[in-house]
Amino acid sequence: DGGITQSPKYLFRKEGQNVTLSCEQNLNHDAMYWYRQDPGQGLRLIYYSQIVNDFQKGDIAEGYSVSREKKESFPLTVTSAQKNPTAFYLCASSISGRYEQFFGPGTRLTVL
Amino acid sequence: GENVGLHLPTLSVQEGDNSIINCAYSNSASDYFIWYKQESGKGPQFIIDIRSNMDKRQGQRVTVLLNKTVKHLSLQIAATQPGDSAVYFCAENRSGATNKLIFGTGTLLAVQP
Repeated sequence: DGGITQSPKYLFRKEGQNVTLSCEQNLNHDAMYWYRQDPGQGLRLIYYSQIVNDFQKGDIAEGYSVSREKKESFPLTVTSAQKNPTAFYLCASSISGRYEQFFGPGTRLTVL
Repeated sequence: GENVGLHLPTLSVQEGDNSIINCAYSNSASDYFIWYKQESGKGPQFIIDIRSNMDKRQGQRVTVLLNKTVKHLSLQIAATQPGDSAVYFCAENRSGATNKLIFGTGTLLAVQP
């Protein structure tokens, strides 16, 4: 059963703590993405990776970090430097060279 | 997410009616467009896409129309059902960047039984 999984669905953290969100895909896609979604706004690109061991900043990368050590995995770390981290985070993947992106179910992060 | 529908334009339709959701895009050089459906608390799901060399494309109960002259995209849903209630996003490709999409803010479709 192919797809993208994100865990956990809900995550709570105290202010000042780093937190890592998981994203795994078994679609054999080369490209993976992280987006942030806030109420009333479109998806905003945080980071993306087109191939293993390579990634680029998106439009709102400040306060976030990623790694791409394996093709299947693209974890996102929300650091204490991110001023407003409470949001819904979406991971996506795509076949290299294709526009269509497939999304995971999302992680709702709440920083208390 | 759960609150993605807040402050969005809302289209309210009766079950069985046709729905038309509109989207204006920004980049005249964009050559690919896609519609996603997002149900509350879930990730977006692909509905239909269209390339700029086409004006219309049909899927099952859905049709996408592209008017490049006015940079306008629309999604038509025939015989709208309660299960169609969701937020609908359009997205366009980012010029010069094969894998990157620019997403609109979305429209909340509310289907009244």
